[in-house]
Amino acid sequence: DVKVTQSSRYLVKRTGEKVFLECVQDMDHENMFWYRQDPGLGLRLIYFSYDVKMKEKGDIPEGYSVSREKKERFSLILESASTNQTSMYLCASSYSGRATYEQYFGPGTRLTVT
Amino acid sequence: SQQGEEDPQALSIQEGENATMNCSYKTSINNLQWYRQNSGRGLVHLILIRSNEREKHSGRLRVTLDTSKKSSSLLITASRAADTASYFCATDRKDSSYKLIFGSGTRLLVRP
Repeated sequence: DVKVTQSSRYLVKRTGEKVFLECVQDMDHENMFWYRQDPGLGLRLIYFSYDVKMKEKGDIPEGYSVSREKKERFSLILESASTNQTSMYLCASSYSGRATYEQYFGPGTRLTVT
Repeated sequence: SQQGEEDPQALSIQEGENATMNCSYKTSINNLQWYRQNSGRGLVHLILIRSNEREKHSGRLRVTLDTSKKSSSLLITASRAADTASYFCATDRKDSSYKLIFGSGTRLLVRP
């Protein structure tokens, strides 16, 4: 079974702190994604990566950066956390190719910024 | 911007009944996917239907796709309490097939 793990289920940080969210997948997937999920807004794509060291902005990249130094690991960085970044963060991975493949999701990290 | 919009936003049914959820989208797609999310957890892929398919089955799930109306429906037959979850449709984009756009979901409650 594909497994996507996230470093924390719950995280509480203070405004202005630098926050790292880690995601690891074990299926050798080329694509990895970071979403945030807020009530009534569904999932919104923050960043995605289609290869090691390659990244592309999603729909809401402001205030975030990412790092992909190894194929299996994709990190989301909040350079200076703000209260409006309180949210559920979901990581996902998928195969690459001309067709769209299903995405495999991690369990999510519920981040609270106070 | 949201591509998929689910309808209804919330649905409450009795165990054993069928549940139908609908999804509408705006632009041309390669395929459409349905996902389930149990409370506070990640999403789980249920089924993928390609733009040249009209209907697909997987166990108690039946998905239809009408590209002329830009809509899809997910039918869960003989529902169980364990089906209680939120259900999302997700569409890709012709210009970037590996990026999905998710709707805001339908919350399904199956009462025992």
